[in-house]
Amino acid sequence: AQSVTQPDIHITVSEGASLELRCNYSYGATPYLFWYVQSPGQGLQLLLKYFSGDTLVQGIKGFEAEFKRSQSSFNLRKPSVHWSDAAEYFCAVEVPPPGGYNKLIFGAGTRLAVHP
Amino acid sequence: DVKVTQSSRYLVKRTGEKVFLECVQDMDHENMFWYRQDPGLGLRLIYFSYDVKMKEKGDIPEGYSVSREKKERFSLILESASTNQTSMYLCASSSDREGGEQYFGPGTRLTVT
Repeated sequence: AQSVTQPDIHITVSEGASLELRCNYSYGATPYLFWYVQSPGQGLQLLLKYFSGDTLVQGIKGFEAEFKRSQSSFNLRKPSVHWSDAAEYFCAVEVPPPGGYNKLIFGAGTRLAVHP
Repeated sequence: DVKVTQSSRYLVKRTGEKVFLECVQDMDHENMFWYRQDPGLGLRLIYFSYDVKMKEKGDIPEGYSVSREKKERFSLILESASTNQTSMYLCASSSDREGGEQYFGPGTRLTVT
């Protein structure tokens, strides 16, 4: 069955430090890949997505992610974290079940805390 | 901007009550979704709809039903609420059948006592 693993439940970084959030997926082919962010009290917002082509994708708020087929990974990165980046981050894959409709499968999320 | 609104931010109901969660989107999106969000489990799909009066079961449909009488409105119904349905419920909409961004509402935190 398809699945998404985010190994880190909580991460704390200092403001200005670099950030990498890990995501691994289990799927036979290359799925559509997404990163969403949920700020406190808010719904989810799309940061970036990967469908095909260049394996390094740029998103909003200075985030980027790299797709590595050999590792079944889609890690999210930011070179310098701001206090406003404190939030929960979700990796998701979209898979087409046979004869059905595409749907998103989410990881459990990584909660990011930022120290001043 | 796309806006997805949910009828309540917080809701407290008693075991056995019938509960309605309403979701409205203003961008004429074809697709609408209901998720529940629990700590350590991420978001799990309850039901979705790709057209008016159409519904499909997601991964955890047990204990829930949905209604989509108009394109902009998608309702989640708990026929007889139970304590294990205490959770955050998120509604989303999208315009594409595949690969499209889903736009989320702010969520309804439901407590069943």
